[in-house]
Formats: sequence, C-alpha cells, structure tokens
Amino acid sequence: AQKVTQAQTEISVVEKEDVTLDCVYETRDTTYYLFWYKQPPSGELVFLIRRNSFDEQNEISGRYSWNFQKSTSSFNFTITASQVVDSAVYFCALNRGYGGSQGNLIFGKGTKLSVKP
Amino acid sequence: NAGVTQTPKFQVLKTGQSMTLQCAQDMNHEYMSWYRQDPGMGLRLIHYSVGAGITDQGEVPNGYNVSRSTTEDFPLRLLSAAPSQTSVYFCASILDGMGTEAFFGQGTRLTVV
Repeated sequence: AQKVTQAQTEISVVEKEDVTLDCVYETRDTTYYLFWYKQPPSGELVFLIRRNSFDEQNEISGRYSWNFQKSTSSFNFTITASQVVDSAVYFCALNRGYGGSQGNLIFGKGTKLSVKP
Repeated sequence: NAGVTQTPKFQVLKTGQSMTLQCAQDMNHEYMSWYRQDPGMGLRLIHYSVGAGITDQGEVPNGYNVSRSTTEDFPLRLLSAAPSQTSVYFCASILDGMGTEAFFGQGTRLTVV
C-alpha cells in the first residue's frame, strides 16, 4: 500500500522565520515520484517540485529547498525567510512509476502554513 | 493555451438531483482524473482515465460516474446527490505515467442541501 503522511496539520510562523514542512511516504515500489503542491487561499493547486526515486539530490529554488532522503522515506520542504505570501496549504504527493495506477497521485492531508507579518 | 478547464466553479444542488461537472484539457494529456478535497482529508481520487475509452475507480468512487469518449474531455456525473458529496472537486490531467506533474483545474465547490 502507498501512503503519504504530513504530520504537521498547521504551522504558524512570523515573517522571516525559516520553516520546514515534513513529508513521510510509504511505498514498496522501486520507481516512484514525489511532488509538492501549494494551495493558496484562492484555492488553485500550484505545482512546486517533482523528484523521482533515483535522484536524491537536494534542490534549491530561491527561498525554497527540498530534502529527499530514501533512507528515512522523507521528502521535506523548507522555506527560508518566510513571507506572508507563503501562507497556503502545502501538499506532498506520491505517484507510482508503473502499474495500472500510473498517473494517480496519493496526497498527504496537507499542512496549513500561516505566516504572520 | 487554456490548460485544464473545469465548469462550473460553484454549484448548489438539492439532495437527489443529478449533475455533471465538466473537465476539458487542451494539452493532449493521456491521463485524466477527478479528486475531491474535504477539510483535513487532503485530495482523494474518485475516478481516473488512462486514455480515451478507458476509466477506472479510485479511492472514493461511490455515487459518481465517468466516461472518456475523447482525449480532451472527462466529465464527472453525480447520479443522485447526497449531502456527503458536498466538497471541492478538482480535475487533473497528466501527460503520461512517467512522473510528469499534474495540471489541475480551478476546482468546483459543490454544496448539496
């Protein structure tokens, strides 16, 4: 069975603080893909990053960085120097790399991040 | 390039009514799927399609029906609406099954009274 756990339901920080959103996944597949999506208060889902199971390199994009560790089945997301515009619900998702359910995302329950000015 | 277009954005139904949520994509994506989002539950898969003429059930299919007669369109039908189907619905399309990212529609907020 595949599962994504985002243990942090809500996080509140003050602007300019760093914040890490945790994501732990379960899968028996050797090929799989991990994603982060952002859902701002307006409601749309915005793709942030994709990582495949063979690429454990960390990724940095501006104030955003992602740490993928297969040994702990984690794909954590860090926002450095948070801003009010980062306030949103963030979803981690898993997609298996083969089989009939390819293309279907298994989502965590999301972490609501509130950044206070 | 419109991406994924969902209509309507808002809908109120009475219990027992039926309706169709429309979803269309213009990116020639192979995979399309429907999710529902409920508070504290994340997004859960209702039905999906891996190509025209092929559909299958997801995690929460009961009360919903789909068909995919063309690559572009993937409508979701509520057969007899129930208050438990009050939710936000998202349609998604994915180019292929090789881990490419999903593109989502704007969502439909459905209330069943």
